Amino acid sequence: DTGVSQDPRHKITKRGQNVTFRCDPISEHNRLYWYRQTLGQGPEFLTYFQNEAQLEKSRLLSDRFSAERPKGSFSTLEIQRTEQGDSAMYLCASSPVKDEQYFGPGTRLTVT
Amino acid sequence: EDQVTQSPEALRLQEGESSSLNCSYTVSGLRGLFWYRQDPGKGPEFLFTLYSAGEEKEKERLKATLTKKESFLHITAPKPEDSATYLCAVQYSTGGGADGLTFGKGTHLIIQP
Repeated sequence: DTGVSQDPRHKITKRGQNVTFRCDPISEHNRLYWYRQTLGQGPEFLTYFQNEAQLEKSRLLSDRFSAERPKGSFSTLEIQRTEQGDSAMYLCASSPVKDEQYFGPGTRLTVT
Repeated sequence: EDQVTQSPEALRLQEGESSSLNCSYTVSGLRGLFWYRQDPGKGPEFLFTLYSAGEEKEKERLKATLTKKESFLHITAPKPEDSATYLCAVQYSTGGGADGLTFGKGTHLIIQP
């Protein structure tokens, strides 16, 4: 158990609907990362926060995606107007410093 | 162009049969190379971080090594519970995702009893 928790673990939604995922990092980890992983691929970096500041966003993060970390603790990732191509595992990781990242169990999104 | 390439894509071994997994990278300004293990339906589990050529780290039946262009994950006398996908990732000082990790596609390892 890495200590990073994600909710929900599974989400099935219809195309066009909005979804929101939550990540609770290991306490006192000031860095938080979001990744997306599709079948047979390694995770792909989406964005990261240091405390409440969003410092980096991948070009994979389209305008339909938004992430927040309002008080520097938990984070949310929202996808608006979901598309079938958004179906993936969404992973959250946290890190105390610029080193190893500890991953949560992921949220499996299926867009029908 | 892939920045992190792992080989083989899949590997099937008999219990006790030692082998090595390869991770080659083309990024410059390497800040760290990471190995993770991932079981089906779960998030990656951290194994090792390597920072400079010549560095080695060990954990149980696993040993990771690093050169200037590649890393190896050696598995000695594996057991069925070592079956998983092993992911390699790099963190580098230029390019997108400066603090995010760039992963390879992984090696799917199966250890048969």
